[in-house]
Amino acid sequence: DTEVTQTPKHLVMGMTNKKSLKCEQHMGHRAMYWYKQKAKKPPELMFVYSYEKLSINESVPSRFSPECPNSSLLNLHLHALQPEDSALYLCASSPLPAEAFTEAFFGQGTRLTVV
Amino acid sequence: AQTVTQSQPEMSVQEAETVTLSCTYDTSESDYYLFWYKQPPSRQMILVIRQEAYKQQNATENRFSVNFQKAAKSFSLKISDSQLGDAAMYFCAYKGNQFYFGTGTSLTVIP
Repeated sequence: DTEVTQTPKHLVMGMTNKKSLKCEQHMGHRAMYWYKQKAKKPPELMFVYSYEKLSINESVPSRFSPECPNSSLLNLHLHALQPEDSALYLCASSPLPAEAFTEAFFGQGTRLTVV
Repeated sequence: AQTVTQSQPEMSVQEAETVTLSCTYDTSESDYYLFWYKQPPSRQMILVIRQEAYKQQNATENRFSVNFQKAAKSFSLKISDSQLGDAAMYFCAYKGNQFYFGTGTSLTVIP
């Protein structure tokens, strides 16, 4: 299994909703990442987990809450989002911890629309 | 801080022809990696090619090759025999202590 799987592929949510994005990899990778990507822009790093511990939080608003229940799974919990949070959310993983990685594998992303 | 610059927001190429995408970067680090990622409309970021800075030999993967000029801090991607499936956003990326993406180049392949 050489994939990073993200669910759901599409999500529409209201500003008062609570939802979660899920990311899974079974490659034994030790670091996992959440990125936010607006149309025709590069991905922006949000969070990094190394060995299931949060190692980087790029000043992301608290309405985004990451969780890493185990080494294969990464969640992003969403609450009280704003329309400007609509974007493609990409998950990635790398074999080595974030400070040493030499390659990252990406999922297909979740297209999030906040209405 | 490190920066990665892609000066061509859009490029086009005729099918079967060759195209070169530009990337420059700024760093004071001596040890780093450079990448080209492809993002087609399907949205998944796919690694096209990787170059270790300590290697002088340019990386090659089938129709994709790079021209790595370390002193000039330049890392261009050449796509030979372009195919319709090559149409995508291409991101140059740098990994030293941290990972940075460039702004992207949208490549159109004309049949």
